[in-house]
Amino acid sequence: EAGVTQFPSHSVIEKGQTVTLRCDPISGHDNLYWYRRVMGKEIKFLLHFVKESKQDESGMPNNRFLAERTGGTYSTLKVQPAELEDSGVYFCASSQSAQGGEQYFGPGTRLTVT
Amino acid sequence: AQSVSQHNHHVILSEAASLELGCNYSYGGTVNLFWYVQYPGQHLQLLLKYFSGDPLVKGIKGFEAEFIKSKFSFNLRKPSVQWSDTAEYFCAVISSGYSTLTFGKGTMLLVSP
Repeated sequence: EAGVTQFPSHSVIEKGQTVTLRCDPISGHDNLYWYRRVMGKEIKFLLHFVKESKQDESGMPNNRFLAERTGGTYSTLKVQPAELEDSGVYFCASSQSAQGGEQYFGPGTRLTVT
Repeated sequence: AQSVSQHNHHVILSEAASLELGCNYSYGGTVNLFWYVQYPGQHLQLLLKYFSGDPLVKGIKGFEAEFIKSKFSFNLRKPSVQWSDTAEYFCAVISSGYSTLTFGKGTMLLVSP
């Protein structure tokens, strides 16, 4: 069974540019989560999809971040325009069960904004 | 809002030493508790989890954790660490009725051979 995959693994962009991160969850997992870890801090929740619907987006930092999951399969997270404080590792996770079930994580995308 | 506190940010041990990593959480209701591990260059992966029942849970690679409700704690233990246990360890919690993980800051464990 293929795990959660993320693309790209690394991205270096300049302040003001746009970046789109992609996550492919485990096949059959309706729940998809985005998390972020800024250097030196804890991993923080960004948002949660159930199929194509946003179940909870309370962790999104501001309106420069846009997440989509068209068709309920893969998801994208776009940052536009990127700021220096957006640098960090963006993790995607998926799960079968939403209520406290095990979440399987991807390898993360390391984003550096210069 | 719930929070998770991990007591040590960096731990250095020699092989065969015993390990205990502390974790406390703030939420007073029913919780599901997790320890995740990230080995160098690898994904976050689940080490063990507690949902209900026996408060002493056993995970992979000889790790175990004990849930003590009265202390809001879920400490991770291993009686004898190996060099291959070098990794970053994360304690996390999901409150009942919710589905998102709240993580601690992580503990970097370095085991010297």
